[in-house]
Amino acid sequence: KAGVTQTPRYLIKTRGQQVTLSCSPISGHRSVSWYQQTPGQGLQFLFEYFSETQRNKGNFPGRFSGRQFSNSRSEMNVSTLELGDSALYLCASSPAGGQHNEQFFGPGTRLTVL
Amino acid sequence: AQTVTQSQPEMSVQEAETVTLSCTYDTSESDYYLFWYKQPPSRQMILVIRQEAYKQQNATENRFSVNFQKAAKSFSLKISDSQLGDAAMYFCAYPRGGSEKLVFGKGTKLTVNP
Repeated sequence: KAGVTQTPRYLIKTRGQQVTLSCSPISGHRSVSWYQQTPGQGLQFLFEYFSETQRNKGNFPGRFSGRQFSNSRSEMNVSTLELGDSALYLCASSPAGGQHNEQFFGPGTRLTVL
Repeated sequence: AQTVTQSQPEMSVQEAETVTLSCTYDTSESDYYLFWYKQPPSRQMILVIRQEAYKQQNATENRFSVNFQKAAKSFSLKISDSQLGDAAMYFCAYPRGGSEKLVFGKGTKLTVNP
């Protein structure tokens, strides 16, 4: 099976712009989670989607949003970019949700905001 | 608050030696899972080992094993016969509220010296 894929791998934007990141989970996985990784804050949970519904949400402003499609692919959007949004954004998928499931991570999208 | 603490920002070990990475967590739940993830310089996060809290027996995966002390809320990772490929950031993680929402520690950077 192919692993979790994320596109693009690298992205450079300027303040005020918006960005859309994409994640394709492992085939058959229905849960997709997003995490932000920064040197200062570490890994922080953004949100989780399961069967096209947002099931869990982290403590991030409304500028961060996401969605999941019927094929389980997910996108996250960040509007009105700020310098502090520069980070590695990781997507993870798991088969059917639930705390016992291993989450499989993608390689990440490195976002730089200038 | 449910938190995960890794008190060792950096550790180093000689090749073929054994090293133990520490993790403590805070939860009021009685049944839960704990995870150790490895993030090599390539940045792809992979699961190293998983522990089910209701199981008394410590989990083992080849050279990796845990010392799980439920009462003390401690979950340390032991790496035996360290190899150069073990060099990475290691994150301890706990799924908050029994969901997919993983809470990560700040990580421990492991260096393996030849």
